Amino acid sequence: AQSVTQLDSQVPVFEEAPVELRCNYSSSVSVYLFWYVQYPNQGLQLLLKYLSGSTLVKGINGFEAEFNKSQTSFHLRKPSVHISDTAEYFCAVSDTGNQFYFGTGTSLTVIP
Amino acid sequence: IAGITQAPTSQILAAGRRMTLRCTQDMRHNAMYWYRQDLGLGLRLIHYSNTAGTTGKGEVPDGYSVSRANTDDFPLTLASAVPSQTSVYFCASSDPTGGADNEQFFGPGTRLTVL
Repeated sequence: AQSVTQLDSQVPVFEEAPVELRCNYSSSVSVYLFWYVQYPNQGLQLLLKYLSGSTLVKGINGFEAEFNKSQTSFHLRKPSVHISDTAEYFCAVSDTGNQFYFGTGTSLTVIP
Repeated sequence: IAGITQAPTSQILAAGRRMTLRCTQDMRHNAMYWYRQDLGLGLRLIHYSNTAGTTGKGEVPDGYSVSRANTDDFPLTLASAVPSQTSVYFCASSDPTGGADNEQFFGPGTRLTVL
């Protein structure tokens, strides 16, 4: 089975500042990587995903993530956050078994 | 297009009672999933179904059962609810090919409280 570690449970950041949300995974096989966002009282929405090819993946709302195979990481970044980015962010990995494994989530709070 | 709908939105339930959480999708996705979300634990897979007529156990299946009589519906049943099943439950589905590279689409969730 895979495992996903999100190192930061809470990340406060000032508006218009850059942010990085960290994600590491453990796997001995090829995996697919995802970042989801959950706004208060809503379900999860896909931000971006890495399947293959370029290691830098761009998603919605100005977010991007970089796949680093040697470090088994898939950190999420945004150069300038907005108040509306306040939400819970989940990193996930799936393998050939067609199951998803989610991290415990990072709560991003953007401070005005 | 509604996507995935879940019912009820929230429920308070007495311990020992039976409860079925409903999930319906209109995207003709083969694969469907049930997760529970608990603070500090993220999402944990309860049961899944790769196609109609088949189901499988996830990470935390005990106390839950599912059925998949058709493509669209994937109900989750708590036969005898216990307080530790207080959680937010999310249903999800993935597209027709059901491959591991396909994103999962999530419903809005059901908030269940067992007293």
